[in-house]
Amino acid sequence: EAEVAQSPRYKITEKSQAVAFWCDPISGHATLYWYRQILGQGPELLVQFQDESVVDDSQLPKDRFSAERLKGVDSTLKIQPAELGDSAMYLCASSYRAGVFFGQGTRLTVV
Amino acid sequence: TQLLEQSPQFLSIQEGENLTVYCNSSSVFSSLQWYRQEPGEGPVLLVTVVTGGEVKKLKRLTFQFGDARKDSSLHITAAQPVDTGLYLCAGFRTYKYIFGTGTRLKVLA
Repeated sequence: EAEVAQSPRYKITEKSQAVAFWCDPISGHATLYWYRQILGQGPELLVQFQDESVVDDSQLPKDRFSAERLKGVDSTLKIQPAELGDSAMYLCASSYRAGVFFGQGTRLTVV
Repeated sequence: TQLLEQSPQFLSIQEGENLTVYCNSSSVFSSLQWYRQEPGEGPVLLVTVVTGGEVKKLKRLTFQFGDARKDSSLHITAAQPVDTGLYLCAGFRTYKYIFGTGTRLKVLA
């Protein structure tokens, strides 16, 4: 069964360091999303791609976060420098028509 | 402003009890999805409701879409410990896919 792949599953980093997450969406899904989720809350959209183009990044803290999807397939989300408040689950999802499917997420802990 | 409000926020019940989770909005949605998420995992899609008034059943879970397509409910009959998790509703507003505030359910054996 096709699924959204994310890596790493877990990441511990020191504040002020750089960290990167990778996502490979389901094949053929043109739309890719990155979400941040604080424990116990609903995910919040950080950035949305349609193919290689950014559709929405209004909630992305652009002073430290960046995202790219150069060939319209897999995507990378980067944080530099990481801050303590960035500790969260980072979820990637892809969609085709109305179905949105999620990866297992990357749990980031900033110490 | 949260477009999708869920209630209750937390729910702890005994095994065998029934419960209902609500997802409300002042906006119309063309469809709503419900997810269950377990700790450390990504949300898993349970169902999509599309038509106003639609009712869908998934074993002990019953999902309903409001007639005006502004709200939805999830009813669990005879809850089991395996139902424990974070329940999320979600839907598209313009081109954005947004989530509800979440309902954390704990079913005690």
